[in-house]
Amino acid sequence: DTGVSQNPRHKITKRGQNVTFRCDPISEHNRLYWYRQTLGQGPEFLTYFQNEAQLEKSRLLSDRFSAERPKGSFSTLEIQRTEQGDSAMYLCASSLSQGVPNTEAFFGQGTRLTVV
Amino acid sequence: KQEVTQIPAALSVPEGENLVLNCSFTDSAIYNLQWFRQDPGKGLTSLLLIQSSQREQTSGRLNASLDKSSGRSTLYIAASQPGDSATYLCGAGNMLTFGGGTRLMVKP
Repeated sequence: DTGVSQNPRHKITKRGQNVTFRCDPISEHNRLYWYRQTLGQGPEFLTYFQNEAQLEKSRLLSDRFSAERPKGSFSTLEIQRTEQGDSAMYLCASSLSQGVPNTEAFFGQGTRLTVV
Repeated sequence: KQEVTQIPAALSVPEGENLVLNCSFTDSAIYNLQWFRQDPGKGLTSLLLIQSSQREQTSGRLNASLDKSSGRSTLYIAASQPGDSATYLCGAGNMLTFGGGTRLMVKP
């Protein structure tokens, strides 16, 4: 296992288009997190999954954003009708569930979205 | 709702100095707290994980402490090097909430 993998690494899209990002977590990890990060800021929580269940969604996640993890393995984050304000780095992380001895979270390299 | 604050926001030190980065959190009902490093344009690299039952963790020149009762964690970096220059982030809580980070510059 080579860690958390995110694709694509970079995406440039025109305003109004839909985009989809993919995250492949570490294979034995049942938790998967999505974050958005803009320049000079810390990562902002968007949503997280435990197995295939989406347990929490931030208010930042407007109705244009949707995330899925259909079989409890990889996850996708879709942004519909993109806006220039959606330009950011989108980060994915995975971990084991909280409350077990090792719950260290590992991050992917992120997907850089630019909306023009 | 968990809120995490990191102080200072930026720090510039000469090589060789020992330094302390601070992280405070509002909800002390956490299983663990994790410190990360982020280089420009990259993802986050895990440095140290402190379980709620632990008070500190050490890895090489790094030492992190956790005081749940006061809602604070510190990251101590000994004998800083230019290669330590990066943004340091702490994440806490069930949803791994982050502070704004401390941007560290170590000058040769």
